[in-house]
Amino acid sequence: QLQLQESGPGLVQPSETLSLTCTVSGGSIRSTSYYWGWIRQPPGKGLEWIGSIYYSGSTNFNPSLKSRVTISVDTSKNHFSLKLSSVTAADTAVYYCARHKATTDWFDPWGQGTLVIVSS
Amino acid sequence: QSALTQPPSASGSPGQSVTISCTGSSSDVGGYNYVSWYQQHPGKAPKLIISEVTQRPSGVPDRFSGSKSGNTASLTVSGLQAEDEADYYCSSYAGSNNLIFGGGTKLTVL
Repeated sequence: QLQLQESGPGLVQPSETLSLTCTVSGGSIRSTSYYWGWIRQPPGKGLEWIGSIYYSGSTNFNPSLKSRVTISVDTSKNHFSLKLSSVTAADTAVYYCARHKATTDWFDPWGQGTLVIVSS
Repeated sequence: QSALTQPPSASGSPGQSVTISCTGSSSDVGGYNYVSWYQQHPGKAPKLIISEVTQRPSGVPDRFSGSKSGNTASLTVSGLQAEDEADYYCSSYAGSNNLIFGGGTKLTVL
């Protein structure tokens, strides 16, 4: 059974870089049918797609965040990572990782999510 | 790109049916059959319940169904049960390798 787990600091200083990792278990990140995505949800608000990566390193990003986002993949560790630079309080959110069927654009399964607070 | 438009709230009594709408444009919902729906209980991660407008993943009760007409997609929950009380989000492919979500609808079972 495929499972995803986010990890990383829960508190980030304003103007710094947010860094999270998603570890995939129960399956290979080298799947030819899927991308691997990041989605976030500010407290009490809706979902926002951040971006997705294929095991080869090919990426797609939300245009509104593209200038600040880096997503990378490490197939040897079966994990992929998110970096979001120059964060502000508006980046405070629960960050989810999920498997992304990019050809038909759905996410399943999702990790449990991790809350990242941007504050000094 | 703006989020897809969903009603903030919806409600129904046990056993009734309720439909939640998701309105976009010809550039997203109306242009592609790649609308998905997610159910999210408080404090939990979203769960995929409908993909590609009408497809129900294995394990999702057939009380959940999806449809689309023009630029509006809909999720119908039939035979409402207490455990259906949750937030529901739609998403759609929006062209150019972009994807957008709806603002979410809080479903209350009265």
